[in-house]
Amino acid sequence: DIQMTQSPSTLSASVGDRVTITCRASQSVNSWLAWYQQKPGKAPNLLIYKASSLESGVPSRFSGSGSGTEFTLTISSLQPDDFATYYCQHYNTYPWTFGQGTKVEIK
Amino acid sequence: EVQLVESGGGLAQPGRSLRLSCTTSGFTFVDYAMSWVRQAPGKGLEWVGLIKSKAYGGTAEYAASVQGRFTISRDDSKSIAYLEMNSLKTEDTALYYCTREHYGSGSRIDYWGQGTLVTVST
Repeated sequence: DIQMTQSPSTLSASVGDRVTITCRASQSVNSWLAWYQQKPGKAPNLLIYKASSLESGVPSRFSGSGSGTEFTLTISSLQPDDFATYYCQHYNTYPWTFGQGTKVEIK
Repeated sequence: EVQLVESGGGLAQPGRSLRLSCTTSGFTFVDYAMSWVRQAPGKGLEWVGLIKSKAYGGTAEYAASVQGRFTISRDDSKSIAYLEMNSLKTEDTALYYCTREHYGSGSRIDYWGQGTLVTVST
């Protein structure tokens, strides 16, 4: 199985900060990578798919990049609604796997 | 509006079985793969498995942690997906989400239910 490793596990930031989360795959997943946001007590929500495509309705301050084994999720200017946990997930070969999550906290 | 509603969760003893259902509406069920994702209390997300659409063979794929114990099936006439869980272990305790994958063969997850809680305990 492909292992997905996110860094950092926790990130403290302020409103307006530029935030970057990294996701590394144990082997190439090409560009078959998604990012999700999860708020406490809620189901996750798709933000980015195919590494860099923005899901419909997601604010443009979210962006994704990368291919192969290294990927990043960037929030260009952190907003109060963005404090949440973020997960990457590959869908290259079965079984799909998620990263362990990155919690974005208020500084 | 796409809706996914899970049911069937509850308390089960180790070694016993439980079947979850996912009742869907608002989209053409037969065209999509359906999957299950679980989240243990206070932990991250774990993909459990998926069932492809009939156009892609209708076969299922599973995570190693549940292979041989869990079975995913679908009833296209009712737009319902199922997760049959056998030989339950305490580590199967989690909130189980029914999810829709964007393509019939599986892809990114574009819709999630609200989850049903499964607790495995004596």
